[in-house]
Amino acid sequence: GQNIDQPTEMTATEGAIVQINCTYQTSGFNGLFWYQQHAGEAPTFLSYNVLDGLEEKGRFSSFLSRSKGYSYLLLKELQMKDSASYLCAVRIGNTGKLIFGQGTTLQVKP
Amino acid sequence: ETGVTQTPRHLVMGMTNKKSLKCEQHLGHNAMYWYKQSAKKPLELMFVYNFKEQTENNSVPSRFSPECPNSSHLFLHLHTLQPEDSALYLCASSQDLGRSNYGYTFGSGTRLTVV
Repeated sequence: GQNIDQPTEMTATEGAIVQINCTYQTSGFNGLFWYQQHAGEAPTFLSYNVLDGLEEKGRFSSFLSRSKGYSYLLLKELQMKDSASYLCAVRIGNTGKLIFGQGTTLQVKP
Repeated sequence: ETGVTQTPRHLVMGMTNKKSLKCEQHLGHNAMYWYKQSAKKPLELMFVYNFKEQTENNSVPSRFSPECPNSSHLFLHLHTLQPEDSALYLCASSQDLGRSNYGYTFGSGTRLTVV
């Protein structure tokens, strides 16, 4: 079956760095996505990895190791507005299917 | 209007009612999706449409009936729902099924409560 695991909750301090891990066991891997979702709002795209390595986008970076079935999202210089759920999702082949993890709720404290 | 628009934002319906959710995308995408988001559970894929043809039905009960008249519009018709169907229903679109680097663009969802 398809399985994606993320921690349920994390807490970090404003200005700090936080790493949110995601492990996956899927067939037909065709890319891994990270989304941010604020309460009551639509998920918004953050990053995409299909090859091993690090992708950097401003304060956000995402890493992928396909051999280990592992990804992380790194958030630097945390701001209060970064308090949200972070969703890890794997695309399955050319089916259009995105399989999501349960999401990690990040709380940023002053 | 840009992006993916869903209406209504909130819906309360009885178990014997019939209602419809509407989704419209203005991005020129070819694929559209319905997802269900329940509390404490992962986003759950329901249906996939590509060029208005259904390509995936993730074992969804027949009380949920999708309709895709063209690549820009997607509906979810609801009838004789159960209280456990209460959830946030998200519509999404993507350029294609497997090559886009941006995954999906989501709408803001319809918060459905079945009473």
